[in-house]
Amino acid sequence: AQSVTQPDIHITVSEGASLELRCNYSYGATPYLFWYVQSPGQGLQLLLKYFSGDTLVQGIKGFEAEFKRSQSSFNLRKPSVHWSDAAEYFCAVASNTGNQFYFGTGTSLTVIP
Amino acid sequence: NAGVTQTPKFQVLKTGQSMTLQCAQDMNHNSMYWYRQDPGMGLRLIYYSASEGTTDKGEVPNGYNVSRLNKREFSLRLESAAPSQTSVYFCASASGQGADTEAFFGQGTRLTVV
Repeated sequence: AQSVTQPDIHITVSEGASLELRCNYSYGATPYLFWYVQSPGQGLQLLLKYFSGDTLVQGIKGFEAEFKRSQSSFNLRKPSVHWSDAAEYFCAVASNTGNQFYFGTGTSLTVIP
Repeated sequence: NAGVTQTPKFQVLKTGQSMTLQCAQDMNHNSMYWYRQDPGMGLRLIYYSASEGTTDKGEVPNGYNVSRLNKREFSLRLESAAPSQTSVYFCASASGQGADTEAFFGQGTRLTVV
């Protein structure tokens, strides 16, 4: 069965520092992987997605993620965090039919000045 | 471009009351979903519909029913609300077309059952 693990419940970083959010997945085939961001009181917005090809994918707002099949990971990174990046981040995996999405429990990001 | 629209945005129910959460999408997507979001538990799939006329249970379907009224609309019904159903509910839709898919979310419905 598909599953997603986000080991870090909460992360605090200083503005301008680099960021890495971890995501591990379990899926029997080539996964479709996603990172979503949720600002307080809002729905989820797609940051980036991976289906195949180049294992380093670029997303919106300066985020990128790297797919590592050997580690079953899809970690999200940003070189320099801005205060507006404070939010909840969710990693997700979709079935290869694209019909079902499974989400991790989320990582809450706090950015301090 | 409205995307995914959920109504209502907020609702308070008494235990035992019933209600229906409405969801509509204007992106001609095949797949639609209902999730609930609880602190520390992420998003859990309640029901999904891979196409018009079909519905399937997700991880936490107990206490809920759904109807895929047409391609645009997917409603979630609580027949007899319980305090354990206090949550934020999100509707989502996706094309379901393999590598072209991504999930689009509504703004959520915050439901409190007292």
